[in-house]
Parts: sequence; C-alpha cells; structure tokens
Amino acid sequence: SQKIEQNSEALNIQEGKTATLTCNYTNYSPAYLQWYRQDPGRGPVFLLLIRENEKEKRKERLKVTFDTTLKQSLFHITASQPADSATYLCALDPRKTSYDKVIFGPGTSLSVIP
Amino acid sequence: DTEVTQTPKHLVMGMTNKKSLKCEQHMGHRAMYWYKQKAKKPPELMFVYSYEKLSINESVPSRFSPECPNSSLLNLHLHALQPEDSALYLCASSQGRQATGQFFGPGTRLTVL
Repeated sequence: SQKIEQNSEALNIQEGKTATLTCNYTNYSPAYLQWYRQDPGRGPVFLLLIRENEKEKRKERLKVTFDTTLKQSLFHITASQPADSATYLCALDPRKTSYDKVIFGPGTSLSVIP
Repeated sequence: DTEVTQTPKHLVMGMTNKKSLKCEQHMGHRAMYWYKQKAKKPPELMFVYSYEKLSINESVPSRFSPECPNSSLLNLHLHALQPEDSALYLCASSQGRQATGQFFGPGTRLTVL
C-alpha cells in the first residue's frame, strides 16, 4: 500500500542544535517533494520544494535532501531557535503528471527548548 | 498581494443548515484547493480546481459542494452536515501545471452541532 511516514510524532531539541526531520514514502514515485510549517490553528506555510533530480536544496537555515533510491527526504534546521517550534509536514505528488495535487505526511511536532 | 483570504474565520451550524465558506486569492494562481484538517492530522485534499477544471476526492460526501465562480474565487457550499464534519477547512492556491508550493489561507474553524 502507499504511505508517507515522518520520523516521529514529536521531536525535542536544545536551542542552537540542528534539528533533523525525516520523511519516508512507500509505493510512490514523486517528481518532487515539499516541506511546510504549520503553527496551531493556522494554515501550513510552504518552505521548500525539491525535485527528483536534485540532491539538496537550501534556504537560509533550512536544508532539504532527497534520495529517490532510499525513498526518503531529510529536512534540517541549523542553529535552531524556540521560534522554530511548530509542526513540519512533508508532501509529495502522488502521480508525476499531477502537478496540482499533493498528499501530506502525518507531520512531526518540533519543540526547540531554550 | 501574496495572501489567501478565507471567510468566515469561525462557523457554527446545525445539521439542517445551509452555509458557504469563501476563499479569495489575487496572485494570479490558476489552481485552488479545499482541504479538511482534523486535530493532530495532516490536511486532506477535498477538491481541486485547476484552470477551472474540477477534480474531486471520491471519498468526499455530496453534502460538500465546491464552486469556482472565477480563477480568484472559490466557495464551498455546506448542506446537511454531520457532527463529524467539524474541522478546520483550509483553502490554498498554487500556480497550477508547475511544481510549486501551495499558499494556504488561515482556515475556517467549522463546528457542526
């Protein structure tokens, strides 16, 4: 069956450390993968998109990798801050011709402790 | 304008009521979406309008009815809802036909009594 998994339901790290979140998928062949941030009671905010032919993407303190052989994406936040505390969702396109539709993973709740 | 707006922010309705949720974007995006999100769960796609063509998640009950009057506006008509339909309803938009991220609105918190 098809599924998307994110490493753990909740992740606690110390301020200043690097947070690493994992997104694994089964029985999909996505052309791209996206990462979003969601704060409680608010809509998700788009952060980064990485295509299947890209190994790594960076944006300020954020870095995403995409390994289509392992069927895995890693999302890193370096020099983490308490303001980074939120739920992080990965999303992928279920069919390569379907640019408009994505399916979200269950999310990981990140808490950065001062 | 890089914002997706949704009205109302909160809605309480009875099971016999008819109501509508509204969504608007002025980014020139050609794809607009409705998602349903329950607590501690990811958003679940309900409907997509892409270049005015509707795609439906087959599992969405007919008591939810989308409408796209033009490429900037998206409505969700609600009729005879059930208490289990209580959730956060999110609207989003994207460029469409390209691999880009989606811009989400703040959502409408719906409670069905």
